[in-house]
Amino acid sequence: DQQVKQNSPSLSVQEGRISILNCDYTNSMFDYFLWYKKYPAEGPTFLISISSIKDKNEDGRFTVFLNKSAKHLSLHIVPSQPGDSAVYFCAPLRGYGQNFVFGPGTRLSVLP
Amino acid sequence: DAGVTQSPTHLIKTRGQQVTLRCSPKSGHDTVSWYQQALGQGPQFIFQYYEEEERQRGNFPDRFSGHQFPNYSSELNVNALLLGDSALYLCASSLLGATQGNSPLHFGNGTRLTVT
Repeated sequence: DQQVKQNSPSLSVQEGRISILNCDYTNSMFDYFLWYKKYPAEGPTFLISISSIKDKNEDGRFTVFLNKSAKHLSLHIVPSQPGDSAVYFCAPLRGYGQNFVFGPGTRLSVLP
Repeated sequence: DAGVTQSPTHLIKTRGQQVTLRCSPKSGHDTVSWYQQALGQGPQFIFQYYEEEERQRGNFPDRFSGHQFPNYSSELNVNALLLGDSALYLCASSLLGATQGNSPLHFGNGTRLTVT
């Protein structure tokens, strides 16, 4: 039962351009959506989140958009930098104190 | 401010053996969760400990067990190891009373377990 899908296993973009990472989910009960970034040999680190009552949240170069009717969210990185090269996980959360469900991840490569 | 620490960083075991992985949560956190990340996949939830008890459990067999100590540190035990248990095991801490969306999990760097 794949509740969270990230259909692009990998993505390559040029430095300075926009990176768009997508995530689709099936469980309409999710009420928080988080993005984590993971570098090799390190644990995932929190990047940005959005509540289900919002459709957009922005933090510097990072913006997350949520389309609840389509059960789809996306992470935009503008402008992309080589240091953004990492694996990005979409992680929805349902309810208070519940566990996170992680997507399979998208490997972003930002080329200089 | 010490983050989440895990030990050991790497481990090689033989099929059928038992393994114990250890985790110290971020200072101030009271809840520890364990995740298994197989190659090319996202982290899969194993279980969560709070107040020394297992609060939630994912879809893992009872060969996987855990413990939380009064100082909030935690252990993950895996018995009768299978080749398929080879993975990165991630420990994450959080504060149960905080709003989860704004109190994300803090992960350690993981223990890489190889079963031969």
